[in-house]
Amino acid sequence: DGGITQSPKYLFRKEGQNVTLSCEQNLNHDAMYWYRQDPGQGLRLIYYSQIVNDFQKGDIAEGYSVSREKKESFPLTVTSAQKNPTAFYLCASSPRGVADTQYFGPGTRLTVL
Amino acid sequence: GNSVTQMEGPVTLSEEAFLTINCTYTATGYPSLFWYVQYPGEGLQLLLKATKADDKGSNKGFEATYRKETTSFHLEKGSVQVSDSAVYFCALTAWMDSSYKLIFGSGTRLLVRP
Repeated sequence: DGGITQSPKYLFRKEGQNVTLSCEQNLNHDAMYWYRQDPGQGLRLIYYSQIVNDFQKGDIAEGYSVSREKKESFPLTVTSAQKNPTAFYLCASSPRGVADTQYFGPGTRLTVL
Repeated sequence: GNSVTQMEGPVTLSEEAFLTINCTYTATGYPSLFWYVQYPGEGLQLLLKATKADDKGSNKGFEATYRKETTSFHLEKGSVQVSDSAVYFCALTAWMDSSYKLIFGSGTRLLVRP
């Protein structure tokens, strides 16, 4: 089955540690995205990538980093510089670009203790 | 600027009731409009979409019509089920800061009671 996988579903880290969230897609989509969701709020864009080896900052990129070495993979690193990292993180992909329909993974809930 | 406004929830209905969740938008140009649904603890699933004025998106008994004159994209369902309990997000694509962005509303929680 084609789709987007995110792992792990739940992640716990101590304050001050970097942590990397995985996102893989086998839909052959060109574009991939990372969003953050806080309780009772909509989604905010962290980073996006429209092609391999290229990515752009979204609205709340500070304290996060990404890489796009393969078309299928778009890992997100939450660094110690992110002041309030506890949130639900969602990865998405679309066939060509942001104007296309985006399809979402199941999400990773990160809790920083 | 570009934005999406949804009615605040939670919306609580009895099974088989009629559902309307209001969504209005502000956008330059001609955005595409979307409804996504999020079940507890899960990611977002695309429910339906419309790409131009007067288009009607439909899926699983849900419908929404792209109304340019009222800048609205209200979600409706004639008879809700308990399994429809979820958070519903209205969204649009907009050209911002030299690229397209997907702009979300804050979500409306629907609770359907048996």
